[in-house]
Amino acid sequence: KNQVEQSPQSLIILEGKNCTLQCNYTVSPFSNLRWYKQDTGRGPVSLTIMTFSENTKSNGRYTATLDADTKQSSLHITASQLSDSASYICVVSDRGSTLGRLYFGRGTQLTVWP
Amino acid sequence: EADIYQTPRYLVIGTGKKITLECSQTMGHDKMYWYQQDPGMELHLIHYSYGVNSTEKGDLSSESTVSRIRTEHFPLTLESARPSHTSQYLCASSKTGDLNTYEQYFGPGTRLTVT
Repeated sequence: KNQVEQSPQSLIILEGKNCTLQCNYTVSPFSNLRWYKQDTGRGPVSLTIMTFSENTKSNGRYTATLDADTKQSSLHITASQLSDSASYICVVSDRGSTLGRLYFGRGTQLTVWP
Repeated sequence: EADIYQTPRYLVIGTGKKITLECSQTMGHDKMYWYQQDPGMELHLIHYSYGVNSTEKGDLSSESTVSRIRTEHFPLTLESARPSHTSQYLCASSKTGDLNTYEQYFGPGTRLTVT
């Protein structure tokens, strides 16, 4: 069964600190992995997309890593800001259909305190 | 910011009412999607469309229906709302292209509460 598991479920950090969020997946055949940021009451916004040949990608203070062999990904946030408070969702796409089906994790709820 | 819009943003309605959730995109994307999301849970695909006059059911069974008469418009209808339909509904769109990196753009969502 294609699944995406994220940890931790929730995380509280102080402003300015770094943090790392984890994602494990069993989706096969693998096409790409994305990290989305979802603010409360809003739709998800894409942060990074990585194919199996990419093992790291950065977007400002966000750096995602991918290990396609172990089927693990991480999202590292540097020098956190209050605006980083959101749910971070790991999404994996398969190559099994023309739709490119997306499999969503439940997200990590990050809270940044001043 | 993606050019995909949903209305209403919030809706509180009584049981048995018919409702239509609107979704429009101005990016010319051929593929559109509806997802359902409960608090703290993952998004579930309930409907999708490859293009005009094409609609398919997603992974999660839903009593809602959709239509795609125009490329930019993908409304979702509930003929008789029930409390079990209370949820957040997210619309998304993407363009046909490289399946390895196509991007799905999400609307802001409609928070539906059925009393």
